[in-house]
Amino acid sequence: DGGITQSPKYLFRKEGQNVTLSCEQNLNHDAMYWYRQDPGQGLRLIYYSQIVNDFQKGDIAEGYSVSREKKESFPLTVTSAQKNPTAFYLCASSTSKYSGNTIYFGEGSWLTVV
Amino acid sequence: GQSLEQPSEVTAVEGAIVQINCTYQTSGFYGLSWYQQHDGGAPTFLSYNALDGLEETGRFSSFLSRSDSYGYLLLQELQMKDSASYFCAVLNQAGTALIFGKGTTLSVSS
Repeated sequence: DGGITQSPKYLFRKEGQNVTLSCEQNLNHDAMYWYRQDPGQGLRLIYYSQIVNDFQKGDIAEGYSVSREKKESFPLTVTSAQKNPTAFYLCASSTSKYSGNTIYFGEGSWLTVV
Repeated sequence: GQSLEQPSEVTAVEGAIVQINCTYQTSGFYGLSWYQQHDGGAPTFLSYNALDGLEETGRFSSFLSRSDSYGYLLLQELQMKDSASYFCAVLNQAGTALIFGKGTTLSVSS
């Protein structure tokens, strides 16, 4: 079945460490997105990519980095510069940059700093 | 920039009708979307309004008034499984990515 796969589902990080969250999609979608969700805060946009080898910062990009070397993959690295990384991270995709109103989410990754 | 306002919580009983409002301020408007998220799960797309008026999809309907920068999601014949968070969303100024409201938690009781 087509869909978006995020891994790992749960991740624990020590302070000062970088961690990478995986996001893979087999929907043949051009655009991909990363959101962060904190309780009561809704979803906040971290980074997005409309085509391979191109990406843009969202509202809260500081302390994060991404790459888009393949159409199917859009990994997110949470760096040690992100001071409060404990959150639920959601990856999403849409058919193209022209269909951004309708996006499809993966099941999310829970990141906890210990 | 874009901003959206929606109530934080709504409660209702099974079989009732509930309306979740959303007001927005945008630089550039490309339509209003609604998403549902059950606790601990992934958000799923519910509806999208590009033009004024009512869009109906089964028990759910969504309304948009562009002149009032206002929309709402109407849920009819409420069921326990409708207990979830509901988010309204608009595209950012460049029209390239969705910006979400903080969400409305709907609790349906029997």
